[in-house]
Amino acid sequence: GAVVSQHPSRVICKSGTSVKIECRSLDFQATTMFWYRQFPKQSLMLMATSNEGSKATYEQGVEKDKFLINHASLTLSTLTVTSAHPEDSSFYICSAINSNRRGYTFGSGTRLTVV
Amino acid sequence: GQQLNQSPQSMFIQEGEDVSMNCTSSSIFNTWLWYKQEPGEGPVLLIALYKAGELTSNGRLTAQFGITRKDSFLNISASIPSDVGIYFCAGQRQETSGSRLTFGEGTQLTVNP
Repeated sequence: GAVVSQHPSRVICKSGTSVKIECRSLDFQATTMFWYRQFPKQSLMLMATSNEGSKATYEQGVEKDKFLINHASLTLSTLTVTSAHPEDSSFYICSAINSNRRGYTFGSGTRLTVV
Repeated sequence: GQQLNQSPQSMFIQEGEDVSMNCTSSSIFNTWLWYKQEPGEGPVLLIALYKAGELTSNGRLTAQFGITRKDSFLNISASIPSDVGIYFCAGQRQETSGSRLTFGEGTQLTVNP
């Protein structure tokens, strides 16, 4: 149990376009999901906390107008990178708190390359 | 954001050797988690620790929640090539829903056959 599906796994987009990444909890309801960004050989850095039915909470330094988060249902959160630039290229990972609220399950990540 | 101090940063060992890595913090955590991440994948939970002093095993992996609640270690016994990956510790300060995780910098493990 406690499976989180993240899609797409890889995406290449042109500079200036927008990209949407989906994070789904497949066998449990997730009132809270988290979005992370990871650069090569570095740890995961929390970007924002996504709460079902309310606005996301962004970490300091993360532009909320650039990284749009929508958590419209208990099983789906989306991250949209708007007007992407090459410096936005990174590995984006979501996680969700599973039903017993004591574990965090991670998606498989999305490798974004902006050219 | 704040990170945990995780060491060592990398390890190169021979197959069959035991491995130990640890995380320390200046702050108290209520939960310690250990994850493994392979290239191009998200982290996978190995062991979760919920009580100070708790010692938990998962196969060849053993982890402990420090008594002070400011540290944790992970041991891997009799390493095998598939143990290769990056190991992250993570701490959670609150048990309530929505509490964020703080991650260590990771330990890159290489196992030579």
